[in-house]
Order: sequence, then structure tokens, then C-alpha cells
Amino acid sequence: EAGVAQSPRYKIIEKRQSVAFWCNPISGHATLYWYQQILGQGPKLLIQFQNNGVVDDSQLPKDRFSAERLKGVDSTLKIQPAKLEDSAVYLCASSLDRTRSPLHFGNGTRLTVT
Amino acid sequence: AQTVTQSQPEMSVQEAETVTLSCTYDTSENNYYLFWYKQPPSRQMILVIRQEAYKQQNATENRFSVNFQKAAKSFSLKISDSQLGDTAMYFCAFPRRGDDKIIFGKGTRLHILP
Repeated sequence: EAGVAQSPRYKIIEKRQSVAFWCNPISGHATLYWYQQILGQGPKLLIQFQNNGVVDDSQLPKDRFSAERLKGVDSTLKIQPAKLEDSAVYLCASSLDRTRSPLHFGNGTRLTVT
Repeated sequence: AQTVTQSQPEMSVQEAETVTLSCTYDTSENNYYLFWYKQPPSRQMILVIRQEAYKQQNATENRFSVNFQKAAKSFSLKISDSQLGDTAMYFCAFPRRGDDKIIFGKGTRLHILP
């Protein structure tokens, strides 16, 4: 079984620039998550999709962050414009269902905003 | 409110020793799942073990086992015969009922010393 694919692995941008991250979940996984993980902390959920619908985006800074899940499969997360405090690892995860199945994580994208 | 608390920010043990990581949570639900995840320095988060709250028996996966005390809302992870490869951040997590948001603890950084 292929795992969750994320790209790029690393990204360095200047503040006020824009950036996009891509995620391809495990085939058949209906639920997709984007987490932000600041160094030394636990993952913080940004947005959760069930198929191509948003289940929870309460912690997504909507003035600068946006996300979509194309046809209920791949997903992109965009930041525009980036701020210094957006420096973090962005993790994508997928699962078969919302509560019983474990999350399968990608390798993450380490974003550095200078 | 439903929360997850990991009270040990960092721990160190000698190789081959047994170590227990603690996790307490708060929920009003009766039926739920609990998870422990491991995040090695390479960053990819992986599932260690899962516990179903309605099962009396503690889950076991090779050297990893849980001590689940439902009444006390405690879900600790025991690692037996620890190995250098067990060095990682460990996160306790469970899906919050209502919005199915996966809540993570702040993590315990575990160092296995040679």
C-alpha cells in the first residue's frame, strides 16, 4: 500500500510571498487532514475534509490560508501572504474514517519564512 | 471540554529498560478510540498502538503495550526492552466526539541512551 505523498519536502520563502503544498492520500481514504506542527509542539489541526467536503476548518487562518480537495482525492494547502509565524512543518494525513481508523501521515513539508 | 494531557515533556532511559509514558484525557463519551503515535527525528508520524475504550483488555503490539484505565481516564504507553530506534516524540491522541476532531497531546520526547 502506497503511503501518503506530500510535496515539496522543504520550502523557504520570504514573508509576504505565497506558497502551496500538495498531498495525495492513501487510495480509498475518505478523510484527509492538514496539520501545522511548530517545532517542539503537537500537531494542530488546520482543516479536515470528508471526501471533498470540509468537516472542520475552525483553526484555519482564513485570511491567509486556503485549502481544497480536488474530486475527493488530492489536496492543496495554500498560504498567501506568508508570515514569519507560519514557519512550521505542515503534515498531511488520511484515514478510512473519522474516529476508529488511525491516521496515516505523510513526511510533511518544512516551511521556513524569512 | 475534551482534552489530552501528557505530563512528561521529556524522558531518558537506558537501552533495554522499560519506560512508561503517561496520558490522561477528558471526555464525556462512553465509546471511543485512543491512539499513541510516534514521530522519530526523520519526522514521519506513525501509529504505535490503538485502544478501543469498550474493550477491557489492554492493547499490545510486540514491545508496546498500554495500561488503559477507563474510569481514571488514563492511557499510558509502556515500552519494554527499549531500543535506540525508539528515540522519538510520542503523542497521545483521540477523536473528539461531535466534530470528530483528532486531539493530540503536546507530546513526550523520549531518548533511549546507549
